[in-house]
Amino acid sequence: AQTVTQSQPEMSVQEAETVTLSCTYDTSESDYYLFWYKQPPSRQMILVIRQEAYKQQNATENRFSVNFQKAAKSFSLKISDSQLGDAAMYFCAYRENKLVFGAGTILRVKS
Amino acid sequence: DAGITQSPRYKITETGRQVTLMCHQTWSHSYMFWYRQDLGHGLRLIYYSAAADITDKGEVPDGYVVSRSKTENFPLTLESATRSQTSVYFCASRESYEQYFGPGTRLTVT
Repeated sequence: AQTVTQSQPEMSVQEAETVTLSCTYDTSESDYYLFWYKQPPSRQMILVIRQEAYKQQNATENRFSVNFQKAAKSFSLKISDSQLGDAAMYFCAYRENKLVFGAGTILRVKS
Repeated sequence: DAGITQSPRYKITETGRQVTLMCHQTWSHSYMFWYRQDLGHGLRLIYYSAAADITDKGEVPDGYVVSRSKTENFPLTLESATRSQTSVYFCASRESYEQYFGPGTRLTVT
């Protein structure tokens, strides 16, 4: 079964600085999707960014970018110019046919 | 309103009672899912459905029952609630690559 590991239960970043959240996954498949979701205190699950495994180019969405290392099965999220509104729980997720989530990383943003 | 809704949003029940959580989506997405969220575990898949009348178990199905007679509805039933089923439950739907989540139901079993 596929597994997703987020080794950082909690991270802190100063406003306007850059932070990287780590994620590794285990799979024997070659074709899959990877996602980062944000969950603010409202509990709503918000898609931040996605990456198709067949694409070598790292996905970017405004201040959010990923470092996708397929051979290493690593999928980290970089948040640039951190803002107070970025404070949330972040989940890494893998999908072949069903989404499998990591345990999450709480991101705190200091002003 | 278009989207995915869950009801109730909050529920307190007693051990041994049957509880049904409702999920409704307006897009006619083929796939629907139920997850539970517990501290330290992220979201874990309970059951999913690929289409009406097609359901399958996820990672943690024990103690839960689902049905899907209509594409837009996917109710989750706890047949005899236990304290270990206290959690936040999320319903989701998907058609292509993006999965859309409902607002969640916080269930407390006393």
